[in-house]
Amino acid sequence: GQNIDQPTEMTATEGAIVQINCTYQTSGFNGLFWYQQHAGEAPTFLSYNVLDGLEEKGRFSSFLSRSKGYSYLLLKELQMKDSASYLCVSTDSNYQLIWGAGTKLIIKP
Amino acid sequence: DAGVTQSPTHLIKTRGQHVTLRCSPISGHKSVSWYQQVLGQGPQFIFQYYEKEERGRGNFPDRFSARQFPNYSSELNVNALLLGDSALYLCASSSLQGEVEKLFFGSGTQLSVL
Repeated sequence: GQNIDQPTEMTATEGAIVQINCTYQTSGFNGLFWYQQHAGEAPTFLSYNVLDGLEEKGRFSSFLSRSKGYSYLLLKELQMKDSASYLCVSTDSNYQLIWGAGTKLIIKP
Repeated sequence: DAGVTQSPTHLIKTRGQHVTLRCSPISGHKSVSWYQQVLGQGPQFIFQYYEKEERGRGNFPDRFSARQFPNYSSELNVNALLLGDSALYLCASSSLQGEVEKLFFGSGTQLSVL
């Protein structure tokens, strides 16, 4: 079957660094997305990885290991506005999106 | 440029009724997808339309139907509403670049079935 696993909830401190892990099992693979979703709002695109390695985009970085079926989202210099759910989304051989349940990130002052 | 727009933003219905949700994609986008999101869960794929043709369908009953119009706007229809249909319904538009697409979501329609 197809499955995405990510922690349900994480807590971090303002100014710190947090890493949100995601493991995936899909029939075929065509890349992995991370989306951010604030409470009551729509998801917004953060990153897309299709090759192994780290992609850095400002305070946010995303890593992919295809051989391990593993990705992480790294958030640096955390701000209160980063409190949100972070959704890991894989793509299967038909380019269909497989969505994780999301990790709720709570930032404390 | 306007983003993805959805209407209505909130809706209250009773069991057995039907509902029509509307979505206008970003100008130039030809693909529209519909998702259902229950509180605390990730979005669940319902339908995707591209150039007015159904391109994909998720694991939802036949009570759910959709269509896309010549201007690429879309409607999602749900008949014989159940309490379990209460959710946030998200519409996303995308422009296909090869096979991979980045989705742009509307703010959603919050449907409550009483």
